[in-house]
Amino acid sequence: EIVVTQSPATLSLSPGERVTLSCRASQSVSSSLAWYQQKPGQAPRLLIYDASNRATGIPVRFSGSGSGTDFTLTISSLETEDFAVYYCQQRSDWPRGTFGPGTKVDIK
Amino acid sequence: EVQLLESGGGLVQPGGSLRLSCAASGFTFSNYAMNWVRQAPGKGLEWVSTLSSDGVGTYYADSVKGRFTISRDISKDTLFLQMNSLRAEDTAFYFCAKDQFGYPVAWGQGTLVTVSS
Repeated sequence: EIVVTQSPATLSLSPGERVTLSCRASQSVSSSLAWYQQKPGQAPRLLIYDASNRATGIPVRFSGSGSGTDFTLTISSLETEDFAVYYCQQRSDWPRGTFGPGTKVDIK
Repeated sequence: EVQLLESGGGLVQPGGSLRLSCAASGFTFSNYAMNWVRQAPGKGLEWVSTLSSDGVGTYYADSVKGRFTISRDISKDTLFLQMNSLRAEDTAFYFCAKDQFGYPVAWGQGTLVTVSS
């Protein structure tokens, strides 16, 4: 099974700051990686798929990069509505797709 | 607009059974693979099961294989998850999600399953 890790576990930031979240797979997943945002009491929302493609309706301040085993989600300038937990998911062995443990972005 | 509405969750004793439903609307249900993903309270996400778009291929996480069965009724645009031999560790919110581009792109709000005596 492909293991997915994320770092850091928690980030405390202020609105307007640039955010970089990391995701690492235990073996190459090519570009088969997605990022999700989840707010308390809500379902996850797909942000990025295939490592760098923004999903429908996702603001341009969200961008993804990487391939193989190392991936990054960048938020260019944090908005108040961006404080949430972010998960990455590999799907190289579709449909089996392991999620990372998540990174919580909270307000400093 | 894609809408997914889960139902069927509740409290069940260890060893018991439960059947979850997910009513879909806003898209051609029979054209898409569908997923179940769960989340234990306060924990992370875990992929549970996927049904292929042709309704034939069924896939399960090792943690539920042999106990859970995914299916659909295309006449009712509804996805199901039959859960048998439930364990305490199956306690979670269960989300159904439409698959597109190889990923869960649209999610329901979830239904809570609690396995406890």
